[in-house]
Amino acid sequence: AQSVTQLGSHVSVSEGALVLLRCNYSSSVPPYLFWYVQYPNQGLQLLLKYTSAATLVKGINGFEAEFKKSETSFHLTKPSAHMSDAAEYFCAVRNTGGFKTIFGAGTRLFVKA
Amino acid sequence: EAGVTQFPSHSVIEKGQTVTLRCDPISGHDNLYWYRRVMGKEIKFLLHFVKESKQDESGMPNNRFLAERTGGTYSTLKVQPAELEDSGVYFCASSQSEAGGETQYFGPGTRLLVL
Repeated sequence: AQSVTQLGSHVSVSEGALVLLRCNYSSSVPPYLFWYVQYPNQGLQLLLKYTSAATLVKGINGFEAEFKKSETSFHLTKPSAHMSDAAEYFCAVRNTGGFKTIFGAGTRLFVKA
Repeated sequence: EAGVTQFPSHSVIEKGQTVTLRCDPISGHDNLYWYRRVMGKEIKFLLHFVKESKQDESGMPNNRFLAERTGGTYSTLKVQPAELEDSGVYFCASSQSEAGGETQYFGPGTRLLVL
């Protein structure tokens, strides 16, 4: 069975500081991995996805994530936080033969001025 | 191009009542998914349609939930009768194919509160 663990339900950073949101997954088959973001009163928006090509994936809004098979991790980073990055972020996994997306519990990012 | 739309955006009902949620997928997307997020928990898969056929409804909580997708276009999710534990955000998503890496596009969700 697949599962996703996001470390930290809330993360607070200062504007301009590094953003690091942690995600570990469990999967018995090679996974596809995703990061979604949800801004207030909006739907989930895909930030980036890993589909077995390059292990370092670049997404929208300056975010990137690195797939590390040995650590079963897919942490999300951004070098410099903006106030507009304040949102809830979801890590998700899907197996390579399927369509059902398994989500983590979400991490709410706060950005302080 | 219009994204996935959901109606209503919010619904407050009393226990025992019936509620119907609607999802309009992106035009041309054969695959439609329903997910639910109960307060503070993970977003969980409910079911998957390919056109008008249910491919997988393994995530449906119980037989109080009925999903339909007549004609393979929009979908409805009916809860009858609603219970307190049904409160949460119901998301709909759609994709062109069901390939594993295919992007699923999500709607804004319907926030359901059962009192």
